Amino acid sequence: QSALTQPPSASGSPGQSVTISCAGTSSDVGGYDSVSWYQQHPNKAPRLLIYEVYKRPSGVPARFSGSKSGNTASLTVSGLQAADEADYYCSSYGGNNNVLFGGGTKLTVL
Amino acid sequence: EVQLEESGGGLVQPGGSLRLSCAASGFTFNNFWLSWVRQAPGKGLEWVANINQDGREKFYVDSVKGRFTISRDNAKNSLFLQMSSLRAEDTAVYYCARDSGSASYYSWGRGTLVTVSS
Repeated sequence: QSALTQPPSASGSPGQSVTISCAGTSSDVGGYDSVSWYQQHPNKAPRLLIYEVYKRPSGVPARFSGSKSGNTASLTVSGLQAADEADYYCSSYGGNNNVLFGGGTKLTVL
Repeated sequence: EVQLEESGGGLVQPGGSLRLSCAASGFTFNNFWLSWVRQAPGKGLEWVANINQDGREKFYVDSVKGRFTISRDNAKNSLFLQMSSLRAEDTAVYYCARDSGSASYYSWGRGTLVTVSS
């Protein structure tokens, strides 16, 4: 039950795009199309941005997109806005009814 | 509107026990898996446990197995987490979350803080 691996930080200027990676194994990220991404602002509950690798819940802007290649998933935020500055977490089904989260990536909008 | 509201957090000594509750509304409670997810201060999210619709299937992260018990009362639309033999590393905000399918969580509570310290 090891956590998924995310870079601790990422940054970009307003209007630019940034991609955050989430590395797992063939037993979790690579084995299932059950990767999710969450945005969390300070002292707030997480907000679901992406589920099942690339799907967006109603109300999530198309600027947020997800993908997966092998054992690594990615979240791309396009057209960066100041409000996008937050922590981002990936998660994946890990088998045996477990859910794994990544360590989180702090996104800074320069 | 789906609402989840946690309660029961507080300060407890190492080795002590605490019972968290989550009151749910705005959806058909007994149709969904439910989970507890925690977040230590300044740290990332960690899935703790989940429970199926009728309460018969329960799963836990290794670090809490044998110490924590998840349960639910479908008649009262409530989820619980009984925590015992608490350790300093259990200090965290505990969130109640409704499983949206494919191990994703669209609905979260605001969380309740558990502090384990002498």
